[in-house]
Amino acid sequence: GQNIDQPTEMTATEGAIVQINCTYQTSGFNGLFWYQQHAGEAPTFLSYNVLDGLEEKGRFSSFLSRSKGYSYLLLKELQMKDSASYLCAVTDSNYQLIWGAGTKLIIKP
Amino acid sequence: GAVVSQHPSWVICKSGTSVKIECRSLDFQATTMFWYRQFPKQSLMLMATSNEGSKATYEQGVEKDKFLINHASLTLSTLTVTSAHPEDSSFYICSAVWESSYNEQFFGPGTRLTVL
Repeated sequence: GQNIDQPTEMTATEGAIVQINCTYQTSGFNGLFWYQQHAGEAPTFLSYNVLDGLEEKGRFSSFLSRSKGYSYLLLKELQMKDSASYLCAVTDSNYQLIWGAGTKLIIKP
Repeated sequence: GAVVSQHPSWVICKSGTSVKIECRSLDFQATTMFWYRQFPKQSLMLMATSNEGSKATYEQGVEKDKFLINHASLTLSTLTVTSAHPEDSSFYICSAVWESSYNEQFFGPGTRLTVL
């Protein structure tokens, strides 16, 4: 079966750095997405990785290792507004998006 | 660019009635649209995949006669919840993909349905 694992919940302090991990087992791979979802709102796109390595975009970076079936989202200089759920999603060989359950990130002052 | 709208944003209806939700891609032609449902504190659940001019592909366990999807044009897909019941109360989100977006899904703002 296809499976994506990420922690259910994480807590971090304002101004700090947090890393949210995602591991996946899918039938084929055509890219990995990270989305941010605030409560009661639709997801918004954060990053896309299809090749191994680190993609940096401002305070957010995303890393991918295809051989390990592993990705992480790194958030730096955390702000209170970063409190949200972070969803990892993988596109399989049929270009279907497989979603993780999401990681709820709680930022404390 | 790549804006997707949904209408209505929220709707309250009586049990047994039908509700139609519209999903529009405002500035691009969507080759494929997706409909998701999300219950509180749970992840997105794909309901169906819709391609313009063809029948939608429903996920296992989703009743196609209850959740009618029409994708009449490259910019509009509709989801009709027929004979709604309280257990259909949920957050319904659509997303759209266009050919050059490397499969990135652009999400609508969602529709919160409450069935009394």
